[in-house]
Amino acid sequence: GIQVEQSPPDLILQEGANSTLRCNFSDSVNNLQWFHQNPWGQLINLFYIPSGTKQNGRLSATTVATERYSLLYISSSQTTDSGVYFCAVSSGNKLVFGAGTILRVKS
Amino acid sequence: NAGVTQTPKFQVLKTGQSMTLQCAQDMNHEYMSWYRQDPGMGLRLIHYSVGAGITDQGEVPNGYNVSRSTTEDFPLRLLSAAPSQTSVYFCASSTWWRGYEQYFGPGTRLTVT
Repeated sequence: GIQVEQSPPDLILQEGANSTLRCNFSDSVNNLQWFHQNPWGQLINLFYIPSGTKQNGRLSATTVATERYSLLYISSSQTTDSGVYFCAVSSGNKLVFGAGTILRVKS
Repeated sequence: NAGVTQTPKFQVLKTGQSMTLQCAQDMNHEYMSWYRQDPGMGLRLIHYSVGAGITDQGEVPNGYNVSRSTTEDFPLRLLSAAPSQTSVYFCASSTWWRGYEQYFGPGTRLTVT
């Protein structure tokens, strides 16, 4: 099955800093999503991005499907950005999740 | 739209007890799925359904049953709870015409003692 690797596993930022999270996957996909899991456990859709680039406020994402990776950019980080960021991919309709990146933003 | 709803939010069971986790969606999505999340890990697929009357196993199906009698509902049954099933359970739904972009419910935190 598809393997998903996320890096870094842990990241500590000072408020206002920028960061890049990476997701590598082992096979062709027709679905790639980024999620934020907040400290209360809620999973929030950030991007549905099987290819190309999208932006939503301070967040943006780029997927290069031919090279099997995706990047999530967080600019001007805020303490509310803290939590776990998951990348999930599928080649059909079954999502496979990476282990996540734990982000801590300090004020 | 309420989106994807799950009940209960929290549950404590004793080993050997059975229970059903409820999941419902009001978006007319044909695809629904159940995941479990264990500490420090991503979500793993338990069972999924591509439409009413059709279910299939995911990555970690043992100890769980599902059925899909309507488009809206997709309950997950624990037949005989074990401590290894202590986890947070998420239900999700999606549809082909949105590229199977998945929408998740708020989760059920289950503890088996």
